[in-house]
Amino acid sequence: DSGVTQTPKHLITATGQRVTLRCSPRSGDLSVYWYQQSLDQGLQFLIQYYNGEERAKGNILERFSAQQFPDLHSELNLSSLELGDSALYFCASSPGDETQYFGPGTRLLVL
Amino acid sequence: AQSVTQLDSHVSVSEGTPVLLRCNYSSSYSPSLFWYVQHPNKGLQLLLKYTSAATLVKGINGFEAEFKKSETSFHLTKPSAHMSDAAEYFCVVSGPYYTGGFKTIFGAGTRLFVKA
Repeated sequence: DSGVTQTPKHLITATGQRVTLRCSPRSGDLSVYWYQQSLDQGLQFLIQYYNGEERAKGNILERFSAQQFPDLHSELNLSSLELGDSALYFCASSPGDETQYFGPGTRLLVL
Repeated sequence: AQSVTQLDSHVSVSEGTPVLLRCNYSSSYSPSLFWYVQHPNKGLQLLLKYTSAATLVKGINGFEAEFKKSETSFHLTKPSAHMSDAAEYFCVVSGPYYTGGFKTIFGAGTRLFVKA
């Protein structure tokens, strides 16, 4: 158990809908990362937050957005969902260096 | 720019024999390198990391990796495979982003099969 929690574990929704994925980092970690894992794209870095501020951006679509709140938990918002957005979404937290500790993931299925 | 290439998509070994998972990287500066393992339907677990200290890095569960700058490689090894090592392994390169964060790039993964 890494100490990073993600909710929900599974999510089934329809195309065009909007969902919110939640991540609570390890106690004391200020940094949160989001990743998307799919069969065709592999593990893709989406975005990093540090203490509430966006710090690095990867291959994140404009339909996706994230934020980190004052209590350091983070939410990833996915809107106008498409079939291709079906994937496993991971959150990771870090104490501030580059070492990341991953949560168990949220499996999203878009029908 | 950074990139990472895992040279084998699948590796199959017999239990008790050595494991070698190959990783090459490209980076315009001194990178940090990691190996993560993902068991089926699980999250990713950190095996080991290299951050410009000793070039031979020891990790958990008997794994180790050697950073070779001249070959731009960071191969993962284990002297003797165990059935529980069957999983997907990811080589990762990380480096500073211009805004002060870290940008992380994962390799495509190597699936390790262990035969009894």
